[in-house]
Amino acid sequence: KQEVTQIPAALSVPEGENLVLNCSFTDSAIYNLQWFRQDPGKGLTSLLLIQSSQREQTSGRLNASLDKSSGRSTLYIAASQPGDSATYLCAVTMYSGGGADGLTFGKGTHLIIQP
Amino acid sequence: GAGVSQSPSNKVTEKGKDVELRCDPISGHTALYWYRQSLGQGLEFLIYFQGNSAPDKSGLPSDRFSAERTGGSVSTLTIQRTQQEDSAVYLCASSLVGLAGPQGIQYFGAGTRLSVL
Repeated sequence: KQEVTQIPAALSVPEGENLVLNCSFTDSAIYNLQWFRQDPGKGLTSLLLIQSSQREQTSGRLNASLDKSSGRSTLYIAASQPGDSATYLCAVTMYSGGGADGLTFGKGTHLIIQP
Repeated sequence: GAGVSQSPSNKVTEKGKDVELRCDPISGHTALYWYRQSLGQGLEFLIYFQGNSAPDKSGLPSDRFSAERTGGSVSTLTIQRTQQEDSAVYLCASSLVGLAGPQGIQYFGAGTRLSVL
C-alpha cells in the first residue's frame, strides 16, 4: 500500500526566506505527483503536477522536483511571503490500468510565514 | 459552473441519523472523486466515478457509506446511522477525464464539515 510522508509537519520562518518542503513515498510506481495548498476552511488548490517521466516543474516562485527512483519530491518556495502561509499537501497517483485511482496524500506541512 | 460546489458547507447531526452530502462538479468534467479529511489524519480517498459508474467501492469506510452519481453530474454521498467517528470534512473533486495525467488534474470543492454529536 502506498504511503506518503511529509516532513516537517510544521514550519515557521520569517518573510523573505527560501524554504524547502519534503515529501517521500514508499511505492515508486507512480503515475504523477502533485503539490497542493490548503487554506483554512477552503478546498485544495493544485500548485504543480509532475509526471513520472519529469524531473521538475516550476511556477513563479515555486519549484517542485521529483526523484521517482528514490521516492522523493521537494517543493522549493523562493522569497517567501505571508500570503504563502497555508498547509501544503503532497499527493501521488497510482495508475490502475483502466483509469485513474484517487490520490494518496501525505498529512501535509503547515507553513507559517512571519511578516 | 465556475468551480466544484458542495453543500451543505456545515452539517451537525445526531448519532444514528442519516446524512446526505452533495457535490456539483465543474460542468463537463466526467470524473468525480470523494475524499475524507479527519482531524489529525491525512486526506483519505473514498470513491471515484467515471460518468455514473464507480469501478471500485472498496475505499468506502463501511457499508453505512454509499455514493451515487446521476446524469453524469451531481453526486451524493450518503452516510446511514452516523457515528461520532464519521465526523470529518468531506471533500469532492472533479477532473476533465478520469486519467492520471494533465487532463486528470483534480479541482476540489470547499468541503462539507460534518459533526456527529
